[in-house]
Amino acid sequence: SAVISQKPSRDICQRGTSLTIQCQVDSQVTMMFWYRQQPGQSLTLIATANQGSEATYESGFVIDKFPISRPNLTFSTLTVSNMSPEDSSIYLCSVLTDQETQYFGPGTRLLVL
Amino acid sequence: EDQVTQSPEALRLQEGESSSLNCSYTVSGLRGLFWYRQDPGKGPEFLFTLYSAGEEKEKERLKATLTKKESFLHITAPKPEDSATYLCAVPLSGTYKYIFGTGTRLKVLA
Repeated sequence: SAVISQKPSRDICQRGTSLTIQCQVDSQVTMMFWYRQQPGQSLTLIATANQGSEATYESGFVIDKFPISRPNLTFSTLTVSNMSPEDSSIYLCSVLTDQETQYFGPGTRLLVL
Repeated sequence: EDQVTQSPEALRLQEGESSSLNCSYTVSGLRGLFWYRQDPGKGPEFLFTLYSAGEEKEKERLKATLTKKESFLHITAPKPEDSATYLCAVPLSGTYKYIFGTGTRLKVLA
């Protein structure tokens, strides 16, 4: 298993601003993922973040809006840029373990006014 | 096309009333089916992985089973603390990315 922490746990932001979410894991992992979960919905994958290479984004998500950093094997950040109320969601990071199991962080609840 | 469908969308049970949640999947070369529990406002908590048809896993009041087309999460004598959304997921063919179902929101009434 893996123990994952996220910062901040929640935030309220003004439209047009940016927020950077941090994800820290207690062991070295190759693959990390960022998800968005809009109210009442299931999880939607934003991107896959691999150390040493650029993040791979899913259809509908672009680097200018959701830049991701992955400086080492235990840490990643997701920035939500130029926010609008439609960005209000829970943002989740996850890591892939040896058994192809994903473990999730506690999430960051974002409200954009 | 790889796909995961969960039913029902929502389920209300009385405490002690056993039931089952369904997860139907279509994927080439299943490499595992994963069950998670998610409490409101929190990240999904891993419950089980099933790899092959006929496999069963148990944890407290939960038992997960797998066939070639679907998985069931059986809840025996549930308690109010079992109230949560239960999600299932499978890896997309040839990748490590998961497809998630839309979940079943379970409410257990005391």
